[in-house]
Amino acid sequence: EVKLVESGGGLVQPGRSLKLSCAASGFSFNDYWMGWVRQAPGKGLEWIGEINQDSSTINYTPSLKDKFTISRDNAQNTLYLQMSKLGSEDTAIYYCARGSRDPGYFDYWGQGVMVTVSS
Amino acid sequence: DIRMTQSPASLSASLGETVNIECLASEDIYSDLAWYQQKPGKSPQLLIYNANSLQNGVPSRFSGSGSGTQYSLKINSLQSEDVATYFCQQYNNYPNTFGAGTKLELK
Repeated sequence: EVKLVESGGGLVQPGRSLKLSCAASGFSFNDYWMGWVRQAPGKGLEWIGEINQDSSTINYTPSLKDKFTISRDNAQNTLYLQMSKLGSEDTAIYYCARGSRDPGYFDYWGQGVMVTVSS
Repeated sequence: DIRMTQSPASLSASLGETVNIECLASEDIYSDLAWYQQKPGKSPQLLIYNANSLQNGVPSRFSGSGSGTQYSLKINSLQSEDVATYFCQQYNNYPNTFGAGTKLELK
């Protein structure tokens, strides 16, 4: 069974950094693109970015490229999202998602982790 | 960025009815389109990819169609468990973008 479990969320002060993790199991992690999507409270989905199997290609939505860094550790079957210079606009549920062998849609999603940016 | 315009924003339908949700891309996305279902308090689930391919395990009452800039999701014989918000996503161009969502309720 494919499982994606996010962790590392919580309350963080404006301007600070936070790193999210996504533990993957039930599939061959290093065979798949992986990505992050977020959803502000009561709002729609926002694509953050995705990373390929060997981390040689990482794509971001331009407005977040200077603040967020996606990485992965294939030995640990873990995906990461490093977030810096956080503002209230970054308050959202952050979802880890599995892509396919090519970049594109996401076929499995984690349960999401809440990040609240507030003083 | 490619803009994905979904319509309607909300929809009320009766059990057994057929429902159509539309997604219009601001440019040709060559069928690189997915549909997701998100139930309240849950994470999104993939329904359709490549505009018309049904994801494994998704009931056959769901279908997708379209090409170029116009796409649609059809739900035949609406069931109570279909109450959810539906999102389209294009993955033809970076950054990938989602539609704003269609909230489907029972009449």
